[in-house]
Amino acid sequence: DVKVTQSSRYLVKRTGEKVFLECVQDMDHENMFWYRQDPGLGLRLIYFSYDVKMKEKGDIPEGYSVSREKKERFSLILESASTNQTSMYLCATRRWRGGEKLFFGSGTQLSVL
Amino acid sequence: KNEVEQSPQNLTAQEGEFITINCSYSVGISALHWLQQHPGGGIVSLFMLSSGKKKHGRLIATINIQEKHSSLHITASHPRDSAVYICAVGSAGNQFYFGTGTSLTVIP
Repeated sequence: DVKVTQSSRYLVKRTGEKVFLECVQDMDHENMFWYRQDPGLGLRLIYFSYDVKMKEKGDIPEGYSVSREKKERFSLILESASTNQTSMYLCATRRWRGGEKLFFGSGTQLSVL
Repeated sequence: KNEVEQSPQNLTAQEGEFITINCSYSVGISALHWLQQHPGGGIVSLFMLSSGKKKHGRLIATINIQEKHSSLHITASHPRDSAVYICAVGSAGNQFYFGTGTSLTVIP
């Protein structure tokens, strides 16, 4: 089965810090996604990538950037963390479009103080 | 208005009970996904379906495309089924719409 690994399970950062969240997958999937999950709001798409160096903004990209230099790795960057970015961050992957399952990482709970 | 609505938001059941979680959607669909999230854990895909019915163990998922409605049933519920269940609709391309989840607690 697909393994999607997120670098940290819990992370505590200070306001203004630059934060890197890493996601690595081992099944050669083309599509990778970053979502944030907040109580009562469900999952919201921040960015997704459909190929190396290719990215598209999701619903809430403000304050975030991404990097995909290798097919297996998709990084989410918070340039200057703010308290309203405290959230659960989930990485997901999927084979090239068409009714394919999503595979999720175990999530990173980020707290910005 | 949310594109995907789930009900109920919270559900408490006794062990052994039959459970139904409902999902209604308003967008065009390529496939509907049922996801499971345990406390503090990642999300696991339970089912992906675009028509009819699928069964896996004690879990059954159905979808009615005409009515834009799906149900997830759990037969003979067990405390280990306690989790948040999320309905997600895959639409054109890489667009997904997620429900806010149903939190299920099964009491021994």
